[in-house]
Amino acid sequence: SYVLTQPPSVSVAPGKTARISCGGHNIDNYRVHWYQQKPGQAPVLVIYHNNDRPSGIPERFSGSNSGNTATLTISRVEAGDEADYYCQVWDSGGDHVVFGGGTKLTVL
Amino acid sequence: QITLKESGPTLVKPTQTLTLTCTLSGFSLTTSGMGVGWIRQPPGKALEWLAFIYWDDTKRYSPSLKSRLTITKDTSKNQVVLTMTDMDPVDTATYSCAIQLTGDGYFDLWGRGTLVTVSS
Repeated sequence: SYVLTQPPSVSVAPGKTARISCGGHNIDNYRVHWYQQKPGQAPVLVIYHNNDRPSGIPERFSGSNSGNTATLTISRVEAGDEADYYCQVWDSGGDHVVFGGGTKLTVL
Repeated sequence: QITLKESGPTLVKPTQTLTLTCTLSGFSLTTSGMGVGWIRQPPGKALEWLAFIYWDDTKRYSPSLKSRLTITKDTSKNQVVLTMTDMDPVDTATYSCAIQLTGDGYFDLWGRGTLVTVSS
């Protein structure tokens, strides 16, 4: 079945830009979605359909998808962005949901 | 305001069957296009998708767990029920339900989840 690969951790200084990758074979054939999960809380959708933001999500959050890599970009990182981030696709071939392994974003 | 709330046992014994209920408020399970999924997360580990049910009762299951899972819905109660058979300590996790409002592949909103421990 389809596999999504994320780096276990990414560190960034406040005010800088964080980029979290999500690798998958020809992932640009899929629509990629991203969730933010803070400790003890439910995941929150931050990006859907590669680069659309739900209502209430800051413009600092954006996404891209090309080739074998999708990327979540967080600009002007704040301390409150520290969380685990998960990518997700719907594998239409197998008609099931796939999550990446998650990336812990640390704000230095 | 749409909310999802999971309920069920916090402790089950190995080999027992787990039954969890997701109660949806503020949105109807009969709305065309929508669906509800179950996802679990072992302590300190990643999200793992388990099952999904659409408004029209179409069902989908994780290939690796399909033989152990059953997802159903009760539209009169606006609830989605997940059963998992033959529980094992490795199934210890927080189990969450989440909604796709338009069935467009992503989960718009999640419940807070319920921690289920499998232990004798």
